Amino acid sequence: GENVGLHLPTLSVQEGDNSIINCAYSNSASDYFIWYKQESGKGPQFIIDIRSNMDKRQGQRVTVLLNKTVKHLSLQIAATQPGDSAVYFCAENRDAGNMLTFGGGTRLMVKP
Amino acid sequence: GAGVSQSPSNKVTEKGKDVELRCDPISGHTALYWYRQRLGQGLEFLIYFQGNSAPDKSGLPSDRFSAERTGESVSTLTIQRTQQEDSAVYLCASSRSRGANEKLFFGSGTQLSVL
Repeated sequence: GENVGLHLPTLSVQEGDNSIINCAYSNSASDYFIWYKQESGKGPQFIIDIRSNMDKRQGQRVTVLLNKTVKHLSLQIAATQPGDSAVYFCAENRDAGNMLTFGGGTRLMVKP
Repeated sequence: GAGVSQSPSNKVTEKGKDVELRCDPISGHTALYWYRQRLGQGLEFLIYFQGNSAPDKSGLPSDRFSAERTGESVSTLTIQRTQQEDSAVYLCASSRSRGANEKLFFGSGTQLSVL
C-alpha cells in the first residue's frame, strides 16, 4: 500500500555538524508535508512544513527539501545541538482533511 | 490551558479490563484527533472529531475502541476488554479546524500498559 517511510532508523551526528534526515513517500497525490520532532516522553512537536508547489523551505536552523520527481523529502538541521536529539517523523497530508499519515520515524542522536 | 492535556499520563491495567483516556484540547480548537503509537513505531490514526459533525472512525482497530467528544471540548477514548496488543502510547492532538494545512498540536500522551 501507499505509505510514508524513512530510509534510516537511527542517525548519529557530532555536535556542530549538519544533520540530514530522509523520508520517502509513494502517494503522488499528497500535497502537504510536515516534519515533527518527538522528544522522549512528549508528544510530537511541529517543526516545519512544505507544500507540494515548493521545493525548499527554510526555518530557524532547519530546511526542508521536497523532490517530487523521486517522491523524497528531507529535513536538514544546521549546527546540530544536543537538544536536537529526538525522533523525527515526516508526515503527509493526502487530502484537505488533515488526515496526516506518519512515517516510522528516525532517531537522531547528537554526540557531544 | 496552554496546550493539549491528556490524562492519565500512565495507565497500567489487567487484560480484560476497560480503560478510559481523557484529552483536553486547546481552547478554541474545533478539530480533535486520537493516534496510537506503538513502541518504536510511527503514529497510527484512530479517530477524528470536527465540531458537531459525525466523527471519522475509520482508524479504530476494533469495536472494542470507541471515543466521544461533547461539542468542542473534552474527548474520551475508551478501550473495552483490553488486550496486551493494546499496549501503546495514545496521543491526542487538536487543531483550529479541519482546513488544509492546519497544524496539529499534540499532547504528551497516555502510556497504556496491559498486563
